[in-house]
Amino acid sequence: KAGVTQTPRYLIKTRGQQVTLSCSPISGHRSVSWYQQTPGQGLQFLFEYFSETQRNKGNFPGRFSGRQFSNSRSEMNVSTLELGDSALYLCASRGGETQYFGPGTRLLVL
Amino acid sequence: AQSVTQLDSQVPVFEEAPVELRCNYSSSVSVYLFWYVQYPNQGLQLLLKYLSGSTLVKGINGFEAEFNKSQTSFHLRKPSVHISDTAEYFCAVTPTSGTYKYIFGTGTRLKVLA
Repeated sequence: KAGVTQTPRYLIKTRGQQVTLSCSPISGHRSVSWYQQTPGQGLQFLFEYFSETQRNKGNFPGRFSGRQFSNSRSEMNVSTLELGDSALYLCASRGGETQYFGPGTRLLVL
Repeated sequence: AQSVTQLDSQVPVFEEAPVELRCNYSSSVSVYLFWYVQYPNQGLQLLLKYLSGSTLVKGINGFEAEFNKSQTSFHLRKPSVHISDTAEYFCAVTPTSGTYKYIFGTGTRLKVLA
């Protein structure tokens, strides 16, 4: 089975712009979670989608949003980018109780 | 609610020496436990997991972990490390029922020295 894929792998944006990241889960997995990883804050949970519904949400401002499509692919969007949004964004798909992570999208905000 | 504590933020160890990375958790409900490894500029890779049964769990790359319910610990061990084990290691828990929300520790950076 193919693993979790994330596109793009790298992004450079400027403050105020918006960005959309994509995640394709492992075939058959219906749950997709998103995390933000920074050197200062570590790994922080953003949200989880299951069968197109947001099931869990972390403590992030409304600028961070997501959605999931009927084929379980998920996107997350960050609007009005700030310098502090520079991070590695990780997507994980869950089969049963186990999460499997993608390689991440590294976002740099200038 | 659950929480995970990885007390050691960094662990230096010489090549071929044994290593133990500590993980303690707190939870009022039963949990599944996981260890993940992250190499530089990569995502997290599952090392091993404890779901039920034998408390000694073997994973990839020669790692193993032991679940100790009374001490609420899930320490990761390897008898002989290699330079290639240099990475960051994350412990995580998730409730056995409900929405499977994951709680991660802050990570332990393992540095293997030649």
